Amino acid sequence: EVQLLESGGGLVQPGGSLRLSCAASGFTFSSYAMSWVRQAPGKGLEWVSAISGSGGSTYYADSVKGRFTISRDNSKNTLYLQMNSLRAEDTAVYYCAKVATTVTTPAYWYFDLWGRGTLVTVSS
Amino acid sequence: QSVLTQPPSASGTPGQRVTFSCSGSSSNVGSNYVYWYQQLPGTAPKLLIYRNNLRPSGVPDRFSGSKSGTSASLAISGLRSEDEADYYCAAWDDSLSGFVFGTGTKVTVL
Repeated sequence: EVQLLESGGGLVQPGGSLRLSCAASGFTFSSYAMSWVRQAPGKGLEWVSAISGSGGSTYYADSVKGRFTISRDNSKNTLYLQMNSLRAEDTAVYYCAKVATTVTTPAYWYFDLWGRGTLVTVSS
Repeated sequence: QSVLTQPPSASGTPGQRVTFSCSGSSSNVGSNYVYWYQQLPGTAPKLLIYRNNLRPSGVPDRFSGSKSGTSASLAISGLRSEDEADYYCAAWDDSLSGFVFGTGTKVTVL
């Protein structure tokens, strides 16, 4: 079955760190770029970060640049998001999403498979 | 923050046609493809329209997308109760070198 399963969310204090994981199955993981998208409670979708299939190219939203790091382990079919210096405004459900095409140009990327999400709460 | 503007809500009765917009700029909607995602209550987003006006397999032809200049639109014809959801447009932004989502439109079936 083609699916994405996020884990690693939880409650963390401001300034703390957390690492999210996304386990992929049912498709050739290394062939596809992947992304993280978040949604604060009651709010809209916000793109966070993306990474190419090889892991050689990464992209970040300005709101997380310098604090978050996206990575992947193609041998484990797993995507990661290392989140440091967390702030209250990072509180959100974090979704893992698969890019639909194998095109390497990010302007042509879009997301055809989403996980169920994992909740990150930043609070003291 | 969202750089694509959508109306916060849209509504219609069953069977009606509903249309709403997604307004961007030359660096996103004006120069790249637009995508639409549907988010049913309590669930993850789902791809609805890709490359401005194409439907993935399984998406009913009641859903259609269009783009003109720096604006895009999503139309739902033959509105059904199961269409009640939040709808988001999205595009790559050349200036930001990242993806941008719209503010979202909540569709209500009266």
